[in-house]
Amino acid sequence: DVVMTQTPVSLSVTPGQPASISCKSSQSLVYSDGKTYLFWYLQKPGQPPQLLIYEVSRRLSGVPDRFSGSGSGTDFTLKISRVEAEDVGDYYCMQGERLPYTFGQGTKLEIK
Amino acid sequence: EVQLLDSGGGLVQPGGSLRLSCAASGFTFSTYWMSWVRQSPGKGLEWVAIIKEDGSEKYYADSVKGRFTISRDNGKNSLYLQMNSLRAEDTAVYYCARDHITTGTTRFDYWGQGTLVTVSS
Repeated sequence: DVVMTQTPVSLSVTPGQPASISCKSSQSLVYSDGKTYLFWYLQKPGQPPQLLIYEVSRRLSGVPDRFSGSGSGTDFTLKISRVEAEDVGDYYCMQGERLPYTFGQGTKLEIK
Repeated sequence: EVQLLDSGGGLVQPGGSLRLSCAASGFTFSTYWMSWVRQSPGKGLEWVAIIKEDGSEKYYADSVKGRFTISRDNGKNSLYLQMNSLRAEDTAVYYCARDHITTGTTRFDYWGQGTLVTVSS
């Protein structure tokens, strides 16, 4: 199985400041179609997860542009340019390149 | 509006069975692969099973293989998870999630609200 390693485990950020989460996969996530199946989800307290980013860097419709994804191969990053109070929750990366899909352990974002 | 409504969770004894359902609406259900994802209390996310649009292909996590069965009824826009030989470690909130269309590159762009399964004597 592909192991997804996320860091840090938790993050405490002042509103208006940036935040960054790293995700590393144990194998390349580039599929035979040339696309990279790396996803980012946010799970707000008491809610199911919501998809933010797909194919490493593509924002789902309606996701604020302060969220951005980058990376390639096995190293990926989610950045929030200016954290807002509503960004609180658990962030997960996930690989969808092969089954079983696997998630990172999660990063808890808190507001200072 | 896309909606996924999970149901069927509850308290069950170890070794028991439970059937989860997910009612889909707001999209052409028969064109999407669908998955179940679970989350143990206070823990992270674990993919459980996936089924192809027409039900002809099914795949499972090793942790549930041979005990769980995913199925769907496209005429009823519904997804199911039959869970047998339940163990304490199966205790979790179970989410149905819209996976992808054949040419699509998103995964889990819509989720149900989740249904809690508790396995305990």
